[in-house]
Amino acid sequence: DAGITQSPRHKVTETGTPVTLRCHQTENHRYMYWYRQDPGHGLRLIHYSYGVKDTDKGEVSDGYSVSRSKTEDFLLTLESATSSQTSVYFCATSGGDSYEQYFGPGTRLTVT
Amino acid sequence: DQQVKQNSPSLSVQEGRISILNCDYTNSMFDYFLWYKKYPAEGPTFLISISSIKDKNEDGRFTVFLNKSAKHLSLHIVPSQPGDSAVYFCAASDPGTYKYIFGTGTRLKVLA
Repeated sequence: DAGITQSPRHKVTETGTPVTLRCHQTENHRYMYWYRQDPGHGLRLIHYSYGVKDTDKGEVSDGYSVSRSKTEDFLLTLESATSSQTSVYFCATSGGDSYEQYFGPGTRLTVT
Repeated sequence: DQQVKQNSPSLSVQEGRISILNCDYTNSMFDYFLWYKKYPAEGPTFLISISSIKDKNEDGRFTVFLNKSAKHLSLHIVPSQPGDSAVYFCAASDPGTYKYIFGTGTRLKVLA
């Protein structure tokens, strides 16, 4: 198993507040991803990174920003949280030598 | 527009019988397909994959079939076991990128 941790694992926040979720990996994987999982929608890509400081948007990037200053860390920021961003967020990594992705345990975010 | 579709939200199968999970896609340029398994409160884990140049890949009890002309793939689990009860996601690799598009998932319940 790739060493992928996410913090926090659970968070409740109020509408309008900024929130940052952290993904940390110990596998030196080049590619990192943020997904959200919602009933009826499966896993949807928010942003991904193909190297340090190299990021690109996914299919549901509005309201989210990311940063990757080190290989091992990928941060997801909700600048001003909304109730529609209540979801379970998963980080994933890929080494690029195969198509397989490794997922973290998830962060359950509730925006009230 | 959903490029990867899993039209069956749920499936129940008796222990020992075959489970068949289906996935359809719209983009004929997808070049690699993966299946992931997800237990509650955990991140998805990789199960099996298939390249678009193949029509079958087998790994133990799990076999994935790809029908490119129909833009359809299926995951067969034989024999099904209660521990296979989980949500299964199919995913397709967006060609030329390391981005993946996931289906909405099928919840499999294997009855003892």
